[in-house]
Amino acid sequence: NAGVTQTPKFQVLKTGQSMTLQCAQDMNHEYMSWYRQDPGMGLRLIHYSVGAGITDQGEVPNGYNVSRSTTEDFPLRLLSAAPSQTSVYFCASSYSWQSGNTIYFGEGSWLTVV
Amino acid sequence: DAKTTQPTSMDCAEGRAANLPCNHSTISGNEYVYWYRQIHSQGPQYIIHGLKNNETNEMASLIITEDRKSSTLILPHATLRDTAVYYCIVRANFGNEKLTFGTGTRLTIIP
Repeated sequence: NAGVTQTPKFQVLKTGQSMTLQCAQDMNHEYMSWYRQDPGMGLRLIHYSVGAGITDQGEVPNGYNVSRSTTEDFPLRLLSAAPSQTSVYFCASSYSWQSGNTIYFGEGSWLTVV
Repeated sequence: DAKTTQPTSMDCAEGRAANLPCNHSTISGNEYVYWYRQIHSQGPQYIIHGLKNNETNEMASLIITEDRKSSTLILPHATLRDTAVYYCIVRANFGNEKLTFGTGTRLTIIP
């Protein structure tokens, strides 16, 4: 049981490049989400999914796309990277979206856009 | 989502109990109180959560007041490895399930 796995751990992009942050969980969790954390700040929700084939926007979705073709995977795509997207990205999952379920986080992906 | 208020920082002597307070005066009836911590820039680590009753697990205890407007996380025997930022979060029972982390309490365990 690996929990929530994120790749890559570190990435440097040039402005305008695109890339995908990968997230996988092996706990058969319905709910998956992506957060970003900027220096000295709390986490902000980017996108979330309540099950395969279902995604929705969170607090800061602009510049990011997601899809959920399988229960296990929830990739986050940066369409055209901007310096404002320099951040640490965390993927999270839980058994369901309902309150009372424990949310597990990955170890983070550090992204720098130059 | 209900907002939470935590002290910015706290110190605790190693081996003593660390008591971290949190105010959530606008919490609604179906909202749980969650505690997470973040060590350096690692992923947030789940500690404990509760609705109405006090809860205890291998890491900590959670004491929720009867009116549910505040809670206290207790680390019974703090170690240096407990130095971290601790987040008190009230989780809404909606599909967008946003965890509003805020800035948390930076707990420093003093040797």
